[in-house]
Formats: sequence, C-alpha cells, structure tokens
Amino acid sequence: EAQVTQNPRYLITVTGKKLTVTCSQNMNHEYMSWYRQDPGLGLRQIYYSMNVEVTDKGDVPEGYKVSRKEKRNFPLILESPSPNQTSLYFCASSPRQGVSTEAFFGQGTRLTVV
Amino acid sequence: GESVGLHLPTLSVQEGDNSIINCAYSNSASDYFIWYKQESGKGPQFIIDIRSNMDKRQGQRVTVLLNKTVKHLSLQIAATQPGDSAVYFCAETPGSGNTGKLIFGQGTTLQVKP
Repeated sequence: EAQVTQNPRYLITVTGKKLTVTCSQNMNHEYMSWYRQDPGLGLRQIYYSMNVEVTDKGDVPEGYKVSRKEKRNFPLILESPSPNQTSLYFCASSPRQGVSTEAFFGQGTRLTVV
Repeated sequence: GESVGLHLPTLSVQEGDNSIINCAYSNSASDYFIWYKQESGKGPQFIIDIRSNMDKRQGQRVTVLLNKTVKHLSLQIAATQPGDSAVYFCAETPGSGNTGKLIFGQGTTLQVKP
C-alpha cells in the first residue's frame, strides 16, 4: 500500500531532550516536506526537500533540523525542544519531480513538550 | 507579506446541495493553487490543483475556479455528501514555477446536514 508513515504518532517529552520524528514513504517520491498544524494558524511549512541531499527552509524552520540522506526517509529533528513546539506535525511527499502540490500526507505526530 | 485566507471558518450545507468554499490569496506571483481536505484525525488529502494560467479546472464532483483579478480561489462541490464533511484548506506555491514552498490558509469546516 502506498503511504507516508510517521513515527511516533504521539509523543510527550520534556524541554531540552532531543527527539527525532521519522517519516518514510514507499512511493519513490522525490519531494518531501514537514508541516506543523496549530489551532487558528493552519498548516505551516517547516522544511522541505526537492531531492536527496537537497533541503530548504519553509516558513517556520527555527528550532528544527532535517536531513535527506536517502529518498524514502526525511526525519525531523528537534535538538532542544521547547513548549512552543507542542503541535501536530505532518510529513508529506509528492509524486511529481520537484512539485509540492499533489502531496500525500502522513497520519500526523502529536507532540507535547512539557 | 504572503498570506492565504478563507472567507468563512464554517460552512453548513444540506446533503445534496452544492457547496462553495472560498479563499483569498495575496501573492500575485504564485504559480499553483491547491485544495486539500482534512478529515478528523487524519492528514490532509489532495483534492485538486490549478495552475495560474488557468481559470477553471474540474475533477470528480469538484470544480476549482481561479480569479486572478481579485485574487480569489473557490472550490465547488456538487451534490454534497456526508462524507464531504471535513476541514478544507486552500494553499499556494509562492513565486513563479514550483519552488517547493507551500503556504496554507487557515481552513473552512464544511458541515453536511442530513
């Protein structure tokens, strides 16, 4: 089944404890991206990747890191999480080369930082 | 600055009626405009997109209209069904071509009354 898989689905952590949210797609898509969703603010793009070893900042990259060492995986790293990073996170991938529009989204990761 | 907004946070329609969800955008140079549907507890799902050189595009039961003169985008759903109940987001790719960036509006909740 074609899908974007995020792990974990739920995570509660403490301020300052490094964490990684994994994202994997099995559709051989070149484009991948991370978003956070907050009430009243909609979805905001954190980082995106047009291809392996190519990453760029979205609108809210502060406090996050990403890497794209292989096509299928695009992990989101929070080196020192803070409470304002409590949010619902989505990973997405897109089938057309370099095109972000027709994106397939994962099920989301709900992160709480206390 | 760049922003994508929706006119109404909530839209309630009778089952079988047509629904029209509106969106205003501010970036004249955006190349693609996209509609996503998000059901409760799930990630957004691509519905349809339209390129800036078009003013209308039709899919299955959905039509997207683009009015660049007034920077307005709309999604029309024909014969609305209970399964259409969800939050609908418009989004745009700022800048010419597709840079990989994606900016979302805040969302309109569509409620379908039986």
